[in-house]
Amino acid sequence: NAGVMQNPRHLVRRRGQEARLRCSPMKGHSHVYWYRQLPEEGLKFMVYLQKENIIDESGMPKERFSAEFPKEGPSILRIQQVVRGDSAAYFCASSQAGTIVNEQFFGPGTRLTVL
Amino acid sequence: GENVEQHPSTLSVQEGDSAVIKCTYSDSASNYFPWYKQELGKRPQLIIDIRSNVGEKKDQRIAVTLNKTAKHFSLHITETQPEDSAVYFCAASINDYKLSFGAGTTVTVRA
Repeated sequence: NAGVMQNPRHLVRRRGQEARLRCSPMKGHSHVYWYRQLPEEGLKFMVYLQKENIIDESGMPKERFSAEFPKEGPSILRIQQVVRGDSAAYFCASSQAGTIVNEQFFGPGTRLTVL
Repeated sequence: GENVEQHPSTLSVQEGDSAVIKCTYSDSASNYFPWYKQELGKRPQLIIDIRSNVGEKKDQRIAVTLNKTAKHFSLHITETQPEDSAVYFCAASINDYKLSFGAGTTVTVRA
């Protein structure tokens, strides 16, 4: 089992560009979560998705950020018109079902640097 | 929303000694409390978790205790080893998916 995969591992963007972060959940997992981690801080929940559905996006900034988990392919976190404050590590996690019953397994993260 | 506070932010212990990390949470409806270990530049990994119907759980050198009345829970690592050095995060969940994390504790085990 390859585990949760994320790519790219490192991403550098200039202000105003778009960033696309990809997450492939573990085999058999249909629930995906995205978290953001700023330096020296804990992880902050952003969004929870199931296949083709956004279940909870209460942690997503209102503008420029979007997420999807299509029927086929990885989950995508998209950040439009990036600003320096978007620089952070973005982790996705996956689980078989709800966390109360099943552990969230984390990917290695994508470290986004905005110049 | 849920607010989780974690203390201390840094902890240095001598190899073989015990380490204790404490967390408090704000929402009495929280019912799931995992602990994650994150080594430098790596992914968070679950090391132990506890649910609200249990007061204590132990797995080898690691134990977690939960006090629902006081809304706090703690991680205990006994007989610490250099490989225990990492950042530890507590978290709480009031539903079955959204984890609210503490700010982390950097543990250094001195050889």
